[in-house]
Amino acid sequence: DAKTTQPPSMDCAEGRAANLPCNHSTISGNEYVYWYRQIHSQGPQYIIHGLKNNETNEMASLIITEDRKSSTLILPHATLRDTAVYYCIVRVGGIQGAQKLVFGQGTRLTINP
Amino acid sequence: GAVVSQHPSRVICKSGTSVKIECRSLDFQATTMFWYRQFPKQSLMLMATSNEGSKATYEQGVEKDKFLINHASLTLSTLTVTSAHPEDSSFYICSATGYGSEAFFGQGTRLTVV
Repeated sequence: DAKTTQPPSMDCAEGRAANLPCNHSTISGNEYVYWYRQIHSQGPQYIIHGLKNNETNEMASLIITEDRKSSTLILPHATLRDTAVYYCIVRVGGIQGAQKLVFGQGTRLTINP
Repeated sequence: GAVVSQHPSRVICKSGTSVKIECRSLDFQATTMFWYRQFPKQSLMLMATSNEGSKATYEQGVEKDKFLINHASLTLSTLTVTSAHPEDSSFYICSATGYGSEAFFGQGTRLTVV
């Protein structure tokens, strides 16, 4: 699986949009971009994933650049409960996606009141 | 999203004893389950991958005789830490994936060996 690079930490004010970047310059054509987050002392929570088109769900939006070498996770109106470590992972998706997720160090996002 | 239940959430055991952690997929069939370990202030480290009905595949450096994994059904996998030592104290997390592409995680088990 391709490696990813994320800033180690970010701060965001409550109510503002939190934009978390991720670089994955060696991503392959069949690899998806996945985002998970881990709130302290809990298991990771799935947020969103995408291949090349931008995606949106009730939790977040995922913007993938046209060359797919980077992406941004957007939390549109951050709340204090969004404080967590956010992991960007690239891996093969679909039926072949029953493969291991390899976690990097992620971005520790702190939402400030 | 799908629900993965992990039990117990916390356990304290004495050195030399064995501890079993259960991971259940409650509303889907988990063809593959993964076990991770996480030390304080570190990221998750994959320990092993298990497919239902077959032997687990362990990551390099993980002792298969110490960390016994059983995936006997499509909804249950267990991790047994045998002859536990204080250095095995950690946060153990399972994840499960079915026929879709997302993996869903249990809530984790905090193991303390005294």
